[in-house]
Amino acid sequence: EAQVTQNPRYLITVTGKKLTVTCSQNMNHEYMSWYRQDPGLGLRQIYYSMNVEVTDKGDVPEGYKVSRKEKRNFPLILESPSPNQTSLYFCASSSDRGRGEQFFGPGTRLTVL
Amino acid sequence: AQSVSQHNHHVILSEAASLELGCNYSYGGTVNLFWYVQYPGQHLQLLLKYFSGDPLVKGIKGFEAEFIKSKFSFNLRKPSVQWSDTAEYFCAVTLNFGNEKLTFGTGTRLTIIP
Repeated sequence: EAQVTQNPRYLITVTGKKLTVTCSQNMNHEYMSWYRQDPGLGLRQIYYSMNVEVTDKGDVPEGYKVSRKEKRNFPLILESPSPNQTSLYFCASSSDRGRGEQFFGPGTRLTVL
Repeated sequence: AQSVSQHNHHVILSEAASLELGCNYSYGGTVNLFWYVQYPGQHLQLLLKYFSGDPLVKGIKGFEAEFIKSKFSFNLRKPSVQWSDTAEYFCAVTLNFGNEKLTFGTGTRLTIIP
């Protein structure tokens, strides 16, 4: 089954404790992206990757890091989480520049105390 | 930079009523337009998309949308809603030669009353 998986689905952590949210897709997609969803703001892009070892900032990259060492994986790293990073995070992937349907993962609900 | 506006934040309808959700975008060039739906507790799913051609596009579950270039609009419609349509709906745009970034509107929460 074609899918995007994220782990963990739920996470409660404390300020400053480094964490990683994993994202994996099994569709051989070149493009992957991370979004955060906040009430009243919709979804905003954090980082994206056009291919292995190619990543770039989206609209709200501050406080986040990513890496793309393999085509299927695109982890999101919060090196020193803060309460303003409490949000719902979605990973997405697609195959066709600008025109491809983006497939979204199930989401990771992060709470930073 | 492109932006997307959804002016209806929360819409409440009775079953069988007709639905129209507004979406306007701001960008002077060629765009690709999407409507995504997020059912309670679930991830986003694509309802429909427009790239070119016939400005009236049909999607899944009886939804359709009309692209009106002169109005920079891409409104979502459904002639008769069901309780199962209760969800949050997001309009989104990508640029034809951009980085594939989906720029989303703020979403419209749709509540259908049985």
